[in-house]
Amino acid sequence: KNQVEQSPQSLIILEGKNCTLQCNYTVSPFSNLRWYKQDTGRGPVSLTIMTFSENTKSNGRYTATLDADTKQSSLHITASQLSDSASYICVVTILTSGTYKYIFGTGTRLKVLA
Amino acid sequence: DGGITQSPKYLFRKEGQNVTLSCEQNLNHDAMYWYRQDPGQGLRLIYYSQIVNDFQKGDIAEGYSVSREKKESFPLTVTSAQKNPTAFYLCASSIGQGYGYTFGSGTRLTVV
Repeated sequence: KNQVEQSPQSLIILEGKNCTLQCNYTVSPFSNLRWYKQDTGRGPVSLTIMTFSENTKSNGRYTATLDADTKQSSLHITASQLSDSASYICVVTILTSGTYKYIFGTGTRLKVLA
Repeated sequence: DGGITQSPKYLFRKEGQNVTLSCEQNLNHDAMYWYRQDPGQGLRLIYYSQIVNDFQKGDIAEGYSVSREKKESFPLTVTSAQKNPTAFYLCASSIGQGYGYTFGSGTRLTVV
């Protein structure tokens, strides 16, 4: 069964600290992996996209890693800010019979405190 | 500015009523999608459309209907047959299959 699992479910950190969110997936065949940021009551916004051959990709203070062998990805947030408070969703794309399908994780809810 | 607009932001439905959620995009994207988001669950696909006048059922289409008469518009109707409609509904568009989504801001539907 194609699944995407994220951990932790929720996380509270102090402003200025770093944190790492995890995404483990059991999907086949893998096409790419995206991280989205979703503010409360808003739609998700794309942060990064990674293909099979990419190990790391950065977008400002956000750095995503991908280990295709262990089927794990992480999103590292550096020097957190209050505006980082949001849910972070990992989405894996698979391609079967010529059709793309998106498998969504349940998200990690991050709260950054002053 | 190009984007995708959902309306209304909040919607209340009485039991037995049909309601329609609006989704409009000016990104010239061919593909459009409707997702449902419930607490503690990943987004679930309701319907999608890859071109005008064509749409396909997603994983949880029962109790929902859509139309795609114009490229820019993909309205979702939540019918009385949907027994548990209270949720956050997200519309998305993309250039095509396999490309990333641009999401709207969502509509929160509550049954009263």
